[in-house]
Amino acid sequence: ELKVEQNPLFLSMQEGKNYTIYCNYSTTSDRLYWYRQDPGKSLESLFVLLSNGAVKQEGRLMASLDTKARLSTLHITAAVHDLSATYFCAVDIPGTYKYIFGTGTRLKVLA
Amino acid sequence: SAVISQKPSRDICQRGTSLTIQCQVDSQVTMMFWYRQQPGQSLTLIATANQGSEATYESGFVIDKFPISRPNLTFSTLTVSNMSPEDSSIYLCSVEGGRSGNTIYFGEGSWLTVV
Repeated sequence: ELKVEQNPLFLSMQEGKNYTIYCNYSTTSDRLYWYRQDPGKSLESLFVLLSNGAVKQEGRLMASLDTKARLSTLHITAAVHDLSATYFCAVDIPGTYKYIFGTGTRLKVLA
Repeated sequence: SAVISQKPSRDICQRGTSLTIQCQVDSQVTMMFWYRQQPGQSLTLIATANQGSEATYESGFVIDKFPISRPNLTFSTLTVSNMSPEDSSIYLCSVEGGRSGNTIYFGEGSWLTVV
């Protein structure tokens, strides 16, 4: 059974600090996604990572993928309050059209 | 990108009733996905809907409880039947899109509270 685990589940950090959210998955996968969800809102796509070693950056967020380790990271640089949200990773199940979502990381950036 | 509209956006439902959620996409798509997100939880896939065929349900979800229609390539409905408080969740419609089908798009979600 494919499992997707994120850690930490909850993260409270000060503005200006750096931190990394980890996404581990239990089997091979061709694609990995990162999403953001604000309270009361749907999911917003952040990154799609398609190959081993892929790195993508947008503003203060940078995502990377290591398919050999079955690990993706979402690095936050110099956090600001506006980054407070829940972040989900998701992986596709090869040979199917399905995606499994991670447990989610609830991030709170304190001013 | 795909634009997905869901109705209703929110509703408060009485125990034992049923509610149908509509999902409209602005382009033709082969597969549409229905997810449930219980309060404070991650997303769980309920079923996949292909046009012209029966929906495929995931373990723990059955057609009698969550009947799905897919009458054409831009529209689908999910019914939550005989609701109980445990059905209070966000229900999300999703499609694949992007140039290579490498992006998953979500509707705004339908927030159901069962009392």
